[in-house]
Amino acid sequence: QLQLQESGPGLVKPSETLSLTCTVSGGSISSSSYYWGWIRQPPGKGLEWIGSIYYSGSTYYNPSLKSRVTISVDTSKNQFSLKLSSVTAADTAVYYCASTLEGWFDPWGQGTLVTVSS
Amino acid sequence: SYELTQPPSVSVSPGQTARITCSGDALPKQYAYWYQQKPGQAPVLVIYKDSERPSGIPERFSGSSSGTTVTLTISGVQAEDEADYYCQSADSSGTSWVFGGGTKLTVL
Repeated sequence: QLQLQESGPGLVKPSETLSLTCTVSGGSISSSSYYWGWIRQPPGKGLEWIGSIYYSGSTYYNPSLKSRVTISVDTSKNQFSLKLSSVTAADTAVYYCASTLEGWFDPWGQGTLVTVSS
Repeated sequence: SYELTQPPSVSVSPGQTARITCSGDALPKQYAYWYQQKPGQAPVLVIYKDSERPSGIPERFSGSSSGTTVTLTISGVQAEDEADYYCQSADSSGTSWVFGGGTKLTVL
């Protein structure tokens, strides 16, 4: 049974780059047909898909964030990562990682709160 | 960019039926998925591929699709069903995922 866990700094300064890692257990991140994705949720607001990476390495990003987002995979560590550049207070959110096999996100990590503040 | 539209809130009394809609132009072509999210918790999948129910989800949760609208129906609503519900799908190309704005279900 797949389990995902986010990790990374809880506080990032404005204009800097937010970096998070998702560690996958219970299965291989190289498993065929899987997408590995990031979703965020600002406090009190709804869910926003950030982007996903296919097991083959192809990436797909939310058009509204595409210019600032990079998602990559480290198969040796069974992890995938998110980098979001030039952050502002609007990027303050709970960030979730999740896997997608046939179009839906399941399972999800527990989420990690990232606050953008000086 | 592609959008899915949900009503911000729905209120029902215990034992009644709650219906939450989600509208989007690509829904005739793309499956929809529904998630339940309770405060402080990660979302949980309750319906996949428009109308399929994952194991462990109560039978009172069901989904349907008609044209550009999909509907999550909760029959015999219980107090524990009070939560935010989100629909999710993909754009017509299938390469961009999107969530609806969410619906807060209140059990009166």
